[in-house]
Amino acid sequence: DAKTTQPTSMDCAEGRAANLPCNHSTISGNEYVYWYRQIHSQGPQYIIHGLKNNETNEMASLIITEDRKSSTLILPHATLRDTAVYYCIVRGTSRAAGNKLTFGGGTRVLVKP
Amino acid sequence: ETGVTQSPTHLIKTRGQQVTLRCSSQSGHNTVSWYQQALGQGPQFIFQYYREEENGRGNFPPRFSGLQFPYYSSELNVNALELDDSALYLCASSLDRAWNRSDTQYFGPGTRLTVL
Repeated sequence: DAKTTQPTSMDCAEGRAANLPCNHSTISGNEYVYWYRQIHSQGPQYIIHGLKNNETNEMASLIITEDRKSSTLILPHATLRDTAVYYCIVRGTSRAAGNKLTFGGGTRVLVKP
Repeated sequence: ETGVTQSPTHLIKTRGQQVTLRCSSQSGHNTVSWYQQALGQGPQFIFQYYREEENGRGNFPPRFSGLQFPYYSSELNVNALELDDSALYLCASSLDRAWNRSDTQYFGPGTRLTVL
């Protein structure tokens, strides 16, 4: 699976958009970008995923650059409940990779009032 | 709510003992994956089961084993517990074992295991 690089931590203001960057420069053509978040001591929560096109759902938007070497998760109106560790994962699509998710260190996001 | 449940919530064991953790997958999901999350780290893939057969394994010794049963239940067994096995154990279910397309995994709340 391609390796991802994320900032260790970031703060954002309540009510403002939070933009979380992720670099995945070694991503291959058929690998998906997934985002999960984990609120303290809970199981990871699926947020969104994409392949090439930008994606939006009720939780967030995912912007993938045209070369697919980086992406940005956007939380449009951050709330205090969005405080969590956010993981950007590139999921391999080879038979050897199977369906496993390889988590890195993630970005610790603190939403401040 | 993901529809994935795990039991027990917390568990305390002593070194050398054996432990069984349980997971109930989301209805209709044929694949269950198990992850270990040590304090302060991201989850690490242990193994995956698809229709009751192991379908991939991470870098974990054979004393970590699993079973998947009909009707969406599964378990993780760890023998000869070591202090380093203390962690949050997560199960995740997905529709299929698809490796060549997107197939989202949905996680349960985890079981916190403490080995003394």
